[in-house]
Amino acid sequence: KAGVTQTPRYLIKTRGQQVTLSCSPISGHRSVSWYQQTPGQGLQFLFEYFSETQRNKGNFPGRFSGRQFSNSRSEMNVSTLELGDSALYLCASSLIGGDSPQHFGDGTRLSIL
Amino acid sequence: GIQVEQSPPDLILQEGANSTLRCNFSDSVNNLQWFHQNPWGQLINLFYIPSGTKQNGRLSATTVATERYSLLYISSSQTTDSGVYFCAVEIQGAQKLVFGQGTRLTINP
Repeated sequence: KAGVTQTPRYLIKTRGQQVTLSCSPISGHRSVSWYQQTPGQGLQFLFEYFSETQRNKGNFPGRFSGRQFSNSRSEMNVSTLELGDSALYLCASSLIGGDSPQHFGDGTRLSIL
Repeated sequence: GIQVEQSPPDLILQEGANSTLRCNFSDSVNNLQWFHQNPWGQLINLFYIPSGTKQNGRLSATTVATERYSLLYISSSQTTDSGVYFCAVEIQGAQKLVFGQGTRLTINP
């Protein structure tokens, strides 16, 4: 069974640009969550989607947004990039979200110049 | 919000040694998971363990939910066990994981 697939693996952008990251969950999983990992703040929750509905959102500015498609694939978008957005962005999938194990993709490493 | 504290923050051991990593949490949780992040950044799910004890090869984990802590045991350490170990908890209905700051484990040959 294929794991969680995140694309691209690496991305370099400049301040003010926008970026879209993609996540394909494990087949049959309907919940997709996104996390940001930085050396200073650790792993922080961005948002969670289930059946195309956002069920929870972390404490991030409105520049961070996401969506989920009918095939459970998810995208997250960051607009007006700032230097502080440089991070490893991790996507996790699970069968139903809560009460089920989370499986993470390899992440997208975003660098802002 | 809920607080998750892991100890020790760093651990350096020789190959073959055993270790115990601890995770304390400040409130009742619906589930708890342990992850290993390897040097390439991949986050691997080790255990989904809201309560009780589980074993997988050289690794085992115990969660005592009533006392709000979990332990991860690694026996006969290998260099490939190096990396950061994270504990993450979820409270009922939150649909999100709250991570501890991790324990960085270094196994020297």
